[in-house]
Amino acid sequence: SQQGEEDPQALSIQEGENATMNCSYKTSINNLQWYRQNSGRGLVHLILIRSNEREKHSGRLRVTLDTSKKSSSLLITASRAADTASYFCATDASGAQKLVFGQGTRLTINP
Amino acid sequence: DAGVIQSPRHEVTEMGQEVTLRCKLISGHNSLFWYRQTMMRGLELLIYFNNNVPIDDSGMPEDRFSAKMPNASFSTLKIQPSEPRDSAVYFCASSFSSATGELFFGEGSRLTVL
Repeated sequence: SQQGEEDPQALSIQEGENATMNCSYKTSINNLQWYRQNSGRGLVHLILIRSNEREKHSGRLRVTLDTSKKSSSLLITASRAADTASYFCATDASGAQKLVFGQGTRLTINP
Repeated sequence: DAGVIQSPRHEVTEMGQEVTLRCKLISGHNSLFWYRQTMMRGLELLIYFNNNVPIDDSGMPEDRFSAKMPNASFSTLKIQPSEPRDSAVYFCASSFSSATGELFFGEGSRLTVL
């Protein structure tokens, strides 16, 4: 079963707008990560947030984590056409030595 | 560094044939992961090695699948015999010392079994 579930499954916005993707998970975690996958390519790590952190920034990316709600969000500000990709959250269930990925959000930025 | 290198990038084979996928880790990394990606099931962890030792192979679908890590920088995933339902993109990823830290993915091997 999936540990992380992204929402929405697909998102289409205009260039320059902000994009928000959400991830919910089921069990307690040590950390949560976000990855990007361009079509036909491998996944690329974007950001890792630990369970004791609430917010983290990296360039135009902002990630929040709410462990009480078992959810995280990824915000991409001032979106660009190059941000078009699928975005995945990955969690490590406490005690499990592996990352489990969600099904991903497919983001399309329209020029 | 060249990153994680996978080969072949594309493989088309017939049912019953043996398939071998290859992966070269990033130098200095000691954890190796094989994932499979399909539209229906998403990204699934097949097997995880740490310091060349298989730690978790609970995701390996069945005995037709086997993975080896003959040295610290190289791994193979073998499917014998292959079946159409094995068609997927197979990713190799590596990390430095942790199963739950940042993973570095290869570009994947797209397998089509006819």
